[in-house]
Amino acid sequence: DAGITQSPRHKVTETGTPVTLRCHQTENHRYMYWYRQDPGHGLRLIHYSYGVKDTDKGEVSDGYSVSRSKTEDFLLTLESATSSQTSVYFCAIQDHRGLSYNEQFFGPGTRLTVL
Amino acid sequence: AQTVTQSQPEMSVQEAETVTLSCTYDTSESDYYLFWYKQPPSRQMILVIRQEAYKQQNATENRFSVNFQKAAKSFSLKISDSQLGDAAMYFCAYRRINTGTASKLTFGTGTRLQVTL
Repeated sequence: DAGITQSPRHKVTETGTPVTLRCHQTENHRYMYWYRQDPGHGLRLIHYSYGVKDTDKGEVSDGYSVSRSKTEDFLLTLESATSSQTSVYFCAIQDHRGLSYNEQFFGPGTRLTVL
Repeated sequence: AQTVTQSQPEMSVQEAETVTLSCTYDTSESDYYLFWYKQPPSRQMILVIRQEAYKQQNATENRFSVNFQKAAKSFSLKISDSQLGDAAMYFCAYRRINTGTASKLTFGTGTRLQVTL
């Protein structure tokens, strides 16, 4: 258990509504990532963080913003949700210590439906 | 940009038999990591096996092994003695070697493995 939780686990919202997804870790890892999973695309990186208040864009960042004010929390915000953002969202953390240096561990995912 | 291709959307194997899932990738890097992740119906992403490109020896984890062909940029996963619990979506993934920095995973589109009795 890599100590990653995501909330909420499921959410249904309407187009134009702001939505925030939370990723919480208990492992004090430096690197955190947000991916989205869609059929036919695998997982694609939205944003990532390499420390408190240090974030950068991934390949599908349009329409998303992130914040990391504490090591343990990485928030993903959809300012105005659209139907194209219906997806499963995964948070991942990356260990920078010991034998698992190279591995990313994933949270349980959040299924978001935008109507 | 790196790309990862999984050309088999679905595969089926009988219990106790062996199955091989294919993965090819494209990169200009000489050192990198390759991974296979398993995603069962629970949706959890589980790391199955990892291969460092600078290692010639193919990685093995119990019933799971890989055939890593660096020149051909091929990274297939072999599952021996298949079990019902192996039924899942399998993703091949690539990652650059960036020591001390964040580094994203690039995923293939996945192969859904069905295990039959």
